[in-house]
Amino acid sequence: GENVEQHPSTLSVQEGDSAVIKCTYSDSASNYFPWYKQELGKGPQLIIDIRSNVGEKKDQRIAVTLNKTAKHFSLHITETQPEDSAVYFCAAVSRNTGRRALTFGSGTRLQVQP
Amino acid sequence: EAGVAQSPRYKIIEKRQSVAFWCNPISGHATLYWYQQILGQGPKLLIQFQNNGVVDDSQLPKDRFSAERLKGVDSTLKIQPAKLEDSAVYLCASSAGQGASTDTQYFGPGTRLTVL
Repeated sequence: GENVEQHPSTLSVQEGDSAVIKCTYSDSASNYFPWYKQELGKGPQLIIDIRSNVGEKKDQRIAVTLNKTAKHFSLHITETQPEDSAVYFCAAVSRNTGRRALTFGSGTRLQVQP
Repeated sequence: EAGVAQSPRYKIIEKRQSVAFWCNPISGHATLYWYQQILGQGPKLLIQFQNNGVVDDSQLPKDRFSAERLKGVDSTLKIQPAKLEDSAVYLCASSAGQGASTDTQYFGPGTRLTVL
């Protein structure tokens, strides 16, 4: 089955700096890669996603890049703000089987220092 | 549009007791998922429904966990009897499509279970 690895596990940046979180996946049939933000006591919230026919996607301060050959994808947050502090999860879904469940990475705790 | 609703938000039980969680997906969403999230980890799928049928329950510990989705709308997840290692947040998610890999999944707030 699919396996997703995520790095780093914790990331501390100064307000206004950029943050980058990286993930690798194992199943070459995976074709959908969402990123979720989870705040304390809440469920994961989708912040951006990318499909395998696209190499990059941007939404204001957030961007995601996908390298299908290397099987890795990354989240980039520019001009970080204290409210960006949360745990971020990458995930992947394979089109190979009937399963459509997300396989999540282990999460990155991002702390933005004011 | 109302989001995914879950109840209760918190539950504390003794080991060997039973517990049930309820989920109401976003209106019209055909696919419903239950995930288990142990502290410090990413969520892991327990069971996936499409309408009222089970698509995938390969990771559900069937000796103690059960789930149903009557009428293809809301769903209940039950644990009987609970073990200490079942302490986790139980997340419900739903998606609008009929199970395409690119369907966006929307999560509820979760139920935090503590087993003593």
